[in-house]
Amino acid sequence: EILLTQSPGTLSLSPGERATLSCRASQSFSRNYLAWYQQKPGQAPRLLIHGASGRATGIPDRFSGSGSGTDFTLTISRLEPEDFAVYYCQQYDRSPITFGQGTRLEI
Amino acid sequence: QVQLVQSGAEVRKPGASVKVSCKASGYTFTTYAITWVRQAPGQGLEWMGWINSYNGNTNHAQKVQGRVTMTTDTSTSTVFMELRNLRSDDTAVYYCARGSSGWEYSPPDYWGQGTLVTVSS
Repeated sequence: EILLTQSPGTLSLSPGERATLSCRASQSFSRNYLAWYQQKPGQAPRLLIHGASGRATGIPDRFSGSGSGTDFTLTISRLEPEDFAVYYCQQYDRSPITFGQGTRLEI
Repeated sequence: QVQLVQSGAEVRKPGASVKVSCKASGYTFTTYAITWVRQAPGQGLEWMGWINSYNGNTNHAQKVQGRVTMTTDTSTSTVFMELRNLRSDDTAVYYCARGSSGWEYSPPDYWGQGTLVTVSS
């Protein structure tokens, strides 16, 4: 199975700053089937990015995804107060689908 | 609007079974697969598997293989996930989620509210 390792585990930033979250895969993807989710306490995850760089419907353009092969990045250009949450990457290139362990973005 | 409404919290003893339901509305039920994801308290997300709402085909994670059954009732647009022989490490919030396209592996874009299943003696 493909293991996903996210870094850092916790990222402490302030509103208005830029956030860069990393997701590294144990095997290379051929089709960039990598998604990013945001999860706030007590809520279900929210799909942000699919196909490594495609924004899901309704997601603000301050969220962007990039990368290929084994290294992927989620960038939040200017942090808003509502962006402080836990972020997960997920690969859906092959079964079993796997998630990273998450990055906590805190103020 | 698309909605997935899950059944309420459950408490079970080790070795028992639980069946969680997920009622879909706001879209053509058979067009999209439903994925189940669980999250143990304070932990990350774990994929359990998916069911194709059109033909009933399923794919499950190895960790729950042999203990999980996913089914659909197209007459009520409801998906069910039954987990048997429960263990304490099955304690988690269970989410159903709809794929963002007709492909079973597509990342889910609509999620249920979650169902807490607690396994305790």
